[in-house]
Amino acid sequence: EPEVTQTPSHQVTQMGQEVILRCVPISNHLYFYWYRQILGQKVEFLVSFYNNEISEKSEIFDDQFSVERPDGSNFTLKIRSTKLEDSAMYFCASSERFSSGNTIYFGEGSWLTVV
Amino acid sequence: DAKTTQPPSMDCAEGRAANLPCNHSTISGNEYVYWYRQIHSQGPQYIIHGLKNNETNEMASLIITEDRKSSTLILPHATLRDTAVYYCIVRDQNQGGKLIFGQGTELSVKP
Repeated sequence: EPEVTQTPSHQVTQMGQEVILRCVPISNHLYFYWYRQILGQKVEFLVSFYNNEISEKSEIFDDQFSVERPDGSNFTLKIRSTKLEDSAMYFCASSERFSSGNTIYFGEGSWLTVV
Repeated sequence: DAKTTQPPSMDCAEGRAANLPCNHSTISGNEYVYWYRQIHSQGPQYIIHGLKNNETNEMASLIITEDRKSSTLILPHATLRDTAVYYCIVRDQNQGGKLIFGQGTELSVKP
């Protein structure tokens, strides 16, 4: 069964460093998402992406965050200057089409620890 | 904010059916109801979704009331591996159709 894959599974970084989290969405999917989950809290939407553009972003997705689809398969989330409060699990997701009836599939997540 | 209301926790005996309720009284006519679950801190796992009719797949059944204001997810024969947080989500029809997660129901399946 096709799946969304994410790397790394766990990364520890120093405060102020840049981090890139990578995702390979399901191959025929066109819509991509990033979510995050701080330990013990709910899953929060960060950003959606389609046709090389951000479709929607949340208040969390400020100027220190960026997303990119550098080639035909990868989808990345960059955090420019990490803060302690960026420590969280980051989930990538994808769906084939835009419509409400189209399922969004999630990866297993990248656990980011900022020290 | 999430458009759904779920009980924070439920218990179920192993081998019995688990019935997880969800209220979504403000759902719009063309919005789907989705169910996901999350085991520990793994990625949310898709279970099932529906619009008006009841749905069944290999994992679960989804019963949606005629007025669409509530639904029930049924796991017919719960196992210990079904212990997880279950999220009922009304899918946003606006840009990108994102999912907005609430707190979900923590289901504990006990031997």
